[in-house]
Amino acid sequence: AQSVTQLGSHVSVSEGALVLLRCNYSSSVPPYLFWYVQYPNQGLQLLLKYTSAATLVKGINGFEAEFKKSETSFHLTKPSAHMSDAAEYFCAAPDPGGSYIPTFGRGTSLIVHP
Amino acid sequence: NAGVTQTPKFRVLKTGQSMTLLCAQDMNHEYMYWYRQDPGMGLRLIHYSVGEGTTAKGEVPDGYNVSRLKKQNFLLGLESAAPSQTSVYFCASSYIGGLETQYFGPGTRLLVL
Repeated sequence: AQSVTQLGSHVSVSEGALVLLRCNYSSSVPPYLFWYVQYPNQGLQLLLKYTSAATLVKGINGFEAEFKKSETSFHLTKPSAHMSDAAEYFCAAPDPGGSYIPTFGRGTSLIVHP
Repeated sequence: NAGVTQTPKFRVLKTGQSMTLLCAQDMNHEYMYWYRQDPGMGLRLIHYSVGEGTTAKGEVPDGYNVSRLKKQNFLLGLESAAPSQTSVYFCASSYIGGLETQYFGPGTRLLVL
């Protein structure tokens, strides 16, 4: 079974500061990984996804994530936070056993201070 | 394309009442899912379907039933609502499980008194 861990239920940064949201997964097969963003009172939407093509994946709104197999990590970063980045972020990976049903981390709430 | 739509957007029920949440997608996706989202608990999978006429239990299926009679629709039923089922419910769909992007609906906020 797949397990996805997001360290920190809340991350607080100042506007303009680096954003780092952590995600670790338990199973390396298959290496499909996703970050989703949820803005207040909305459903989740795809931020970026890794599908083995390149270890550094660029997403929307200036976010990127780096796949590190040796660390089983897929951390999300953005060089400079904007107030509009305040949202809930979820990391997800498919369960390799059977139907590849997605497994989600518990989410990290990003708070951006002016 | 409308994507994934959910009906209703908000509902208040009394304990013991029943209701059905409707999810519809127009992307010809095979997989559909129902999740509930509660503060501090993230997304928890209730039931899912890998194709028309199929359903399977997720992480928290008790108290819920589902049906997928048509490929584009996935219904979530609460036979006898309980206050513990107060939550925000999200439907999602995808082509091939977790190997492809999931598309989420806007959510249904349910309050059980």
